[in-house]
Parts: sequence; C-alpha cells; structure tokens
Amino acid sequence: GQSLEQPSEVTAVEGAIVQINCTYQTSGFYGLSWYQQHDGGAPTFLSYNGLDGLEETGRFSSFLSRSDSYGYLLLQELQMKDSASYFCAVGGYQKVTFGTGTKLQVIP
Amino acid sequence: NAGVTQTPKFQVLKTGQSMTLQCAQDMNHNSMYWYRQDPGMGLRLIYYSASEGTTDKGEVPNGYNVSRLNKREFSLRLESAAPSQTSVYFCASRTGTKNYSNQPQHFGDGTRLSIL
Repeated sequence: GQSLEQPSEVTAVEGAIVQINCTYQTSGFYGLSWYQQHDGGAPTFLSYNGLDGLEETGRFSSFLSRSDSYGYLLLQELQMKDSASYFCAVGGYQKVTFGTGTKLQVIP
Repeated sequence: NAGVTQTPKFQVLKTGQSMTLQCAQDMNHNSMYWYRQDPGMGLRLIYYSASEGTTDKGEVPNGYNVSRLNKREFSLRLESAAPSQTSVYFCASRTGTKNYSNQPQHFGDGTRLSIL
C-alpha cells in the first residue's frame, strides 16, 4: 500500500518563504507530485520530482530525497493568492495516491 | 478547450436513489480517474481506467460502479445512495502513455453530492 504524511496546517506571512513537507511509504515509487487546491476549486498540478534533487518553477520549488522517502514544496515570496491546500501525491502503476493535504494560510 | 467536464455540478439525492456522474475529457488522454474528497481529507481513489476498455478498483470502490464508455467518457454510478457517500467527486485524466509517472492529472471542477 501507499501512505503519505503532511502537516495539516501552516501559516506564513506575505512575502516570506514556507516549506511544506511530505513523507511517504510506498510499494513501488514512481515520483512525487504536488497539487494546489483553492477552496471550492479543483486540484491543479504544480510540480513533479522523479529523481533526487530540486525542481524549480518560478516561485515554487520541489525537492525529493528517495533514500529518505521525503520531499517538500517550497513557496517563495508568498502572496495572498497562495492561500490554498497543497497535496503531495505518489504515483504507482496508473494509480496516484494523495496525501491528506496541508492548508496554507498566508497572512498580511 | 474544455479539458475535463463533469456533470452535474450539484446534486441532492435521497437515500436509496441511484444516479450516474458523467465525466468527459477532450485531451485524448488514455487514463481516467474518479476520486472523492471529504472535508479535511485528501483525494481518495474510487476507480480508475488505465485505458479504454479497462477499469480497476481504487482505495474506496464499495458502493460504486464505473463504465469507460469510450476514450473520452468515464462515468461513475451510485446504485443505492447512502449518506456516507455525501462528498465532492472529482474526475481526472492524464496521458497514460509509457512514461506515465511525470504526467500531471487534469481535474474537472467536481460534483458536489449530498445524500439525505
């Protein structure tokens, strides 16, 4: 089976940097993905890590350490619009398992 | 460019009623998925279809059936709705070709289903 753990809530100040961690247990690893979901909206894809290291996409970066079964999403220069839930997900053969999500609140 | 379209957007049912949630994608994707999302929880996979003509159970398949009608459409049926099935249902698709791991899932806007 597959399971993922993330913090349930994080609060950060506008303009700051925040890191959302994800640890996983999986029988067969095919990469770690991150999705963003605003309240009432649909999840949207943010990033993917298939290999160890850092992937950067604008203000967002994602890191993976396969030996530690650990990854994180780094959000820089936080904006109010970044207030949302963030989900890590691991992919098996055609299946994707999501974590329970981290609700990020950005405050002025 | 519609992406993934789900109908209906909202539905209220009485216990024991049946209904089908519809999902269609116009991206020529091979793989399609049905998830449910409950408050404070992540997305739980109900069923998925790796390719046209195949379907497989996910984490929480009990009480549901699916049909992959063609490459575009993947429907979810509740035969006898129960209050425990009150949830937001999301359909998703992705390319599903050989290098499947790094392909993002594209989600529909969801169906908000309440069962009284």
